[in-house]
Amino acid sequence: DAKTTQPNSMESNEEEPVHLPCNHSTISGTDYIHWYRQLPSQGPEYVIHGLTSNVNNRMASLAIAEDRKSSTLILHRATLRDAAVYYCIPGSTLGRLYFGRGTQLTVWP
Amino acid sequence: NAGVTQTPKFQVLKTGQSMTLQCAQDMNHEYMSWYRQDPGMGLRLIHYSVGAGITDQGEVPNGYNVSRSTTEDFPLRLLSAAPSQTSVYFCASRQRDSWWDTQYFGPGTRLTVL
Repeated sequence: DAKTTQPNSMESNEEEPVHLPCNHSTISGTDYIHWYRQLPSQGPEYVIHGLTSNVNNRMASLAIAEDRKSSTLILHRATLRDAAVYYCIPGSTLGRLYFGRGTQLTVWP
Repeated sequence: NAGVTQTPKFQVLKTGQSMTLQCAQDMNHEYMSWYRQDPGMGLRLIHYSVGAGITDQGEVPNGYNVSRSTTEDFPLRLLSAAPSQTSVYFCASRQRDSWWDTQYFGPGTRLTVL
């Protein structure tokens, strides 16, 4: 399984953009990169995923480095509701999702 | 759709007791899994199932049993509870056992073993 490195915590002010980095230098060529987040006292929820190209959806954007050894989750305008733990999960065998400790995002009003 | 539901929400057990955590999904998903989350940690995979009648072990399967007799249900059994099993348990499902499918999580069961 690919190993990931994420900062333990990050902070942002409300309505500012947030860039959450993830290093996954051992990722294989066919592994997707998934991002999930976990709001306080809730189960994780899907945010976005991608393989090679940058991806956008209504929640966020995912920028994937050309060598695929790192990616960045971009929240364009952070809200208080975006305060959560964000998990970067590269591909693994047969679709298992393995979670690390993630990045705790604090959003200040 | 109710999505993924889990019961109970909270449970306190004594060491040595057994119990079953219930998980159900109404999305006709083939793949279901159980995770545990200890304080300040990420989720760890306990067991998973790629379809009715098929189960397999994840990272931390010891002390837990699972079965999958229907597509909808995937109960997790604690055979003889230990304090080390105090944790929050999450059930999840996805359409297929494939990377591009989104995984949906239940709200969790908070278990305390005394």
